[in-house]
Parts: sequence; C-alpha cells; structure tokens
Amino acid sequence: EAGVTQSPTHLIKTRGQQATLRCSPISGHTSVYWYQQALGLGLQFLLWYDEGEERNRGNFPPRFSGRQFPNYSSELNVNALELEDSALYLCASSLTGGDEKLFFGSGTQLSVL
Amino acid sequence: GQSLEQPSEVTAVEGAIVQINCTYQTSGFYGLSWYQQHDGGAPTFLSYNALDGLEETGRFSSFLSRSDSYGYLLLQELQMKDSASYFCAVNRDDKIIFGKGTRLHILP
Repeated sequence: EAGVTQSPTHLIKTRGQQATLRCSPISGHTSVYWYQQALGLGLQFLLWYDEGEERNRGNFPPRFSGRQFPNYSSELNVNALELEDSALYLCASSLTGGDEKLFFGSGTQLSVL
Repeated sequence: GQSLEQPSEVTAVEGAIVQINCTYQTSGFYGLSWYQQHDGGAPTFLSYNALDGLEETGRFSSFLSRSDSYGYLLLQELQMKDSASYFCAVNRDDKIIFGKGTRLHILP
C-alpha cells in the first residue's frame, strides 16, 4: 500500500512568487492535514481538510490556502512568498476526520530566495 | 491558550531507559499522541493515550495523567536507531497541534 506522497520534493522560488504543493493521501483516507516545519519550530498546524471541505486552519495569513479534491488529494498554495516561508511543508492523512493517528509524507522543502 | 512543553534535548546511553516529558496548558482535548522523526524523514506515529495510564508497545511506553496535565514517552533498551526527535501532540478544537519536539541523543 502506498503511503502519503508529496510533490515536488524540493521547490525553489523567489520572493513574491507563488508556490503550489501537492499531496496524495493513503488510499481510503479522507482527511488531509498540512503542517509547516521551520528549523527549530516544530510542526505548525496550517490547514485541515476532510471530505473535500476545509475544517480548520492555523494562525497563518490568508496567502496560505489550499483545497481538497474529490479524490481526497490536496494542494497547498502560498501566494506572495516571503523569505520566512522557507520551510519543510508536511502533509499528513488520516482514515477519518476523528482519527488521531496521522500518516505523514516526506514533505516538500520550499526555499524562498 | 494551547501549548505543549517538551525538553528541547535529552541525552542517554545505549541500552538505558529514557523518559521524555510533555506538559500541556490546554483542556478539553481527546488524548495525547507521540511521533518520532528521524533527520530528513517524515514523522511516524508511535502511540496514542485516550485515557489516563500507561500504554505499552514493545520497547516504547506512553503515559498520560489528565489531572496533572502531563504525559511522557518511555523508551527502554535504547538503540542507536532511536536517535531522533520525538513530538507530543493533542487534538484540540479540531486541530492536531504538536510540541516543538525533543531531540534524543544516544551515546554508545
């Protein structure tokens, strides 16, 4: 069974550009979570999608947005990139919205120059 | 507010036992989870405590005390491959939030 897959593995952008990150959950999982992991700051909650709907978002500006598609895959969009957006972006999926066990992908390393 | 406090680093010797603590300043959550993350790798789920008490899974055990707002992860018979970062996490207000992680260093 394939795990959570994220693409691209690495992404280099310049300040002001837009970045799109993609995530495919484990087959059968309906919930997708996005986290930002900057050096030394742990995992910061960004967004939670379940059954195609945004269920919650963390304390990030509106230029961080995303969506979940009918096949439960998801994408995270970051507009007007800033230098401090450089981080590892992790996607996780769970079987249902109430499931505590998250399965993480290997992440997308975003570098903003 | 919601915050989870963990020590930033812990050092232990191979073969020994180590305890990683997690204290929280939040209420009304459903339970405490633990994740392991090796350098360059993805976090992987270790355990979940829905109720107070000790949960054992092989060499790893996890404990929760809601009355003390406290939990810990216990690693026994430490192996070099256990060198990693360990995160506690809670589900509160429809978001799963993580502590900043504890970096475990293991000495031979």
